[in-house]
Amino acid sequence: EPEVTQTPSHQVTQMGQEVILRCVPISNHLYFYWYRQILGQKVEFLVSFYNNEISEKSEIFDDQFSVERPDGSNFTLKIRSTKLEDSAMYFCASSPGDLGEQYFGPGTRLTVT
Amino acid sequence: AQSVTQLGSHVSVSEGALVLLRCNYSSSVPPYLFWYVQYPNQGLQLLLKYTSAATLVKGINGFEAEFKKSETSFHLTKPSAHMSDAAEYFCAVRQTGTASKLTFGTGTRLQVTL
Repeated sequence: EPEVTQTPSHQVTQMGQEVILRCVPISNHLYFYWYRQILGQKVEFLVSFYNNEISEKSEIFDDQFSVERPDGSNFTLKIRSTKLEDSAMYFCASSPGDLGEQYFGPGTRLTVT
Repeated sequence: AQSVTQLGSHVSVSEGALVLLRCNYSSSVPPYLFWYVQYPNQGLQLLLKYTSAATLVKGINGFEAEFKKSETSFHLTKPSAHMSDAAEYFCAVRQTGTASKLTFGTGTRLQVTL
């Protein structure tokens, strides 16, 4: 069964460093999403992406964040200068259509020290 | 803006007992509603979804949920809990008609005891 994959599973970085989280969505899906879950809190929407552009973003998704689909298969989330409060589990999701269910990857645990 | 409220951050049931996890939604238009499960150190797996067809929705692993517009609820139930059901359960809402995000509730951790 096709699944969303994410790498790395765990990333440790120092405050102020740039990180890139990678996702490979399900191959025939058209919509892509990033969510995050700070430890002990609920899952929060960051950004959605369709047709090579951002379709919606949350207040969390400020200028420090960017997304890219560089090669037609990967979907990346970049954080330019990490802060302690960026420590969280980051989930990628993809969907075959606008209203289709979203399939989630296993997540990348980002720890900022 | 749509939102969901999950009553009870922790629910404990005995193996074989009824599981009832509560979710109430707030939405100005008919929403799509979802239940996801998260096992320890894993991602989110869709249990079931309501997309304006049948109000009683059956999902995987014996779970089901009923959409009740009058109560703005979408509670998750399972007649008989198994130890393997121990996990965190998230209710989520998505507004129809948009390229839209999921808005999650705060989650309910289900503990199943012998």
